[in-house]
Amino acid sequence: GESVGLHLPTLSVQEGDNSIINCAYSNSASDYFIWYKQESGKGPQFIIDIRSNMDKRQGQRVTVLLNKTVKHLSLQIAATQPGDSAVYFCAETGSARQLTFGSGTQLTVLP
Amino acid sequence: EAQVTQNPRYLITVTGKKLTVTCSQNMNHEYMSWYRQDPGLGLRQIYYSMNVEVTDKGDVPEGYKVSRKEKRNFPLILESPSPNQTSLYFCASSSSWRETQYFGPGTRLLVL
Repeated sequence: GESVGLHLPTLSVQEGDNSIINCAYSNSASDYFIWYKQESGKGPQFIIDIRSNMDKRQGQRVTVLLNKTVKHLSLQIAATQPGDSAVYFCAETGSARQLTFGSGTQLTVLP
Repeated sequence: EAQVTQNPRYLITVTGKKLTVTCSQNMNHEYMSWYRQDPGLGLRQIYYSMNVEVTDKGDVPEGYKVSRKEKRNFPLILESPSPNQTSLYFCASSSSWRETQYFGPGTRLLVL
């Protein structure tokens, strides 16, 4: 299947700063993208999604940006808090009837 | 409360002893899926089901079976477990394959 990858496996930010987590995808047919958060010992939890007819979507403290030209997706977390420490996965689906996940970025929030 | 449940949450077994991990959702979702999660490999799809009696292979189906006799349940069957199936397993469901999937809490399996 198509690959979905992340630029960095780990990211450390100071509490209160903004975090940006990046993701690259290779399937040009992908039309739906999702960010998940996974805390230790738990299942992935939906954060925000975006469809390919949009380039930006905002939620509560989170924003997802989609650049279809360069096949790049990013998750921005405003005013990062200790509770944001987790592994973040991007996932995509397109013509294949399945969700393809990236390998994840470990976000650590420093006090 | 809308949720996906899995049982058992933890399981230790021996090579060759058949086991079943159950998955149930109460959201009337049509699409259900099983994933395994291994360090450095992320989440990989094992099998998925578009609806009752409709199942298909994901990326890593070898050594696994599934069934979808009812809409709410999607059990994962390991007929003859092997140590390379030691992993963390997640069940997920969604209203359709093009919608957000909601995940269960996971089942940690150790095959000796």
